[in-house]
Amino acid sequence: SQTIHQWPATLVQPVGSPLSLECTVEGTSNPNLYWYRQAAGRGLQLLFYSVGIGQISSEVPQNLSASRPQDRQFILSSKKLLLSDSGFYLCALDFDEKLFFGSGTQLSVL
Amino acid sequence: DAKTTQPTSMDCAEGRAANLPCNHSTISGNEYVYWYRQIHSQGPQYIIHGLKNNETNEMASLIITEDRKSSTLILPHATLRDTAVYYCIVRATDSWGKLQFGAGTQVVVTP
Repeated sequence: SQTIHQWPATLVQPVGSPLSLECTVEGTSNPNLYWYRQAAGRGLQLLFYSVGIGQISSEVPQNLSASRPQDRQFILSSKKLLLSDSGFYLCALDFDEKLFFGSGTQLSVL
Repeated sequence: DAKTTQPTSMDCAEGRAANLPCNHSTISGNEYVYWYRQIHSQGPQYIIHGLKNNETNEMASLIITEDRKSSTLILPHATLRDTAVYYCIVRATDSWGKLQFGAGTQVVVTP
């Protein structure tokens, strides 16, 4: 079965600092991968998705970027974090008509 | 994608069935109804999905009306671990992972 690894579980970063969140998956090849964000008290919002290595689509304009250097690796980055980047970040993959989520990273920008 | 409407919250007694309604009156013929749930501080978990027929799995049952404008998720015997936010989502078949999550229904199961 497919497994999604996300780390760290929690992260506290100052405004203006860089960010790199990594997601790796196991148990499937050439998956479609997604980054979602959930701001406090809000619903989940799709940020990026990728259908293959080097292929990234952005759903909303923002201070973040994504990359997919390997088939099973999806990275979310920022050069300078803003207060509004705080939230719960989730990596996901779709398989067999379903979306599977990782355990998420709770990011607090102070 | 079609919009969905769910109640903000509902309570359910442990051991009783929980019936969660969802309205999707603008659903298109090729759109599926999906249900996910999110336990606090965890990623969402897939529950069930269907197109027009009723569906059942080990977690729940999904009842879709004949006109497909509404559906009900049934948790047959609610437990305390079923306390979560439940999301009803409709999605076409072109990209399973691009889901629009609304506010969902906060379900609280009480002893």
